[in-house]
Amino acid sequence: QLQLQASGPGLVKPSETLSLTCTVSDGSISSETYYWGWVRQPPGKGLEWIGSIYYSGTTHYNPSLKSRVTLSVDTSKNQFTLQLTSVTAADTAVYYCARLNYNWGQVGAMYYFEYWGQGKVVAVSS
Amino acid sequence: DIQMTQSPSTLSASVGDRVTITCRASQSISTWLAWYQQKPGKAPKLLIYKASSLESGVPSRFSGSGSGTEFTLTITSLQPDDFATYYCQQYNTYWTFGQGTKVEIK
Repeated sequence: QLQLQASGPGLVKPSETLSLTCTVSDGSISSETYYWGWVRQPPGKGLEWIGSIYYSGTTHYNPSLKSRVTLSVDTSKNQFTLQLTSVTAADTAVYYCARLNYNWGQVGAMYYFEYWGQGKVVAVSS
Repeated sequence: DIQMTQSPSTLSASVGDRVTITCRASQSISTWLAWYQQKPGKAPKLLIYKASSLESGVPSRFSGSGSGTEFTLTITSLQPDDFATYYCQQYNTYWTFGQGTKVEIK
């Protein structure tokens, strides 16, 4: 059964870079079927899409975070990574990695978040 | 940006009740809409995709409908396991979530 496990520091200092890795088990990140993505949830609040990446390296970023976000993929390790620079307390959240599946639309494949990892709590504090 | 607005924000209901949650998009998204269920401390779980397609393994008491800008999630007979927060999400242009609807025990 597919498993997605987010890992990385649980505490990051303000102005530094948050780095998280999502390891995919029982599934290939190189599959042409899926995109992979990150979503976060601040304490007591709703869900915010951060970015999505295809195994080839094609990326899509939330415009509100685009200047600070970089996603990458390592097919040899079956992992994808999130980097968020210049963090502040507002970046404190549970960070989820997920697999996206698709439906066919008139303009091509339309991807939705199909399966989620259990989440990684990240606090930004000095 | 496409904005998603859910109503109500909180809903009080009893076991066996029929529950309806509404989600409105700020512009047409065709049927590119998903619904998720989230319980405290857990990751969201996909219930419905493409507005009305039931994800495998999801009980048939959950159903979705709508197109364009207005969508609904219906639970026909609320079960104890259904008390949770529900989110809609558009995937027509990037991905945007609604603010969530908490279904609580009346």
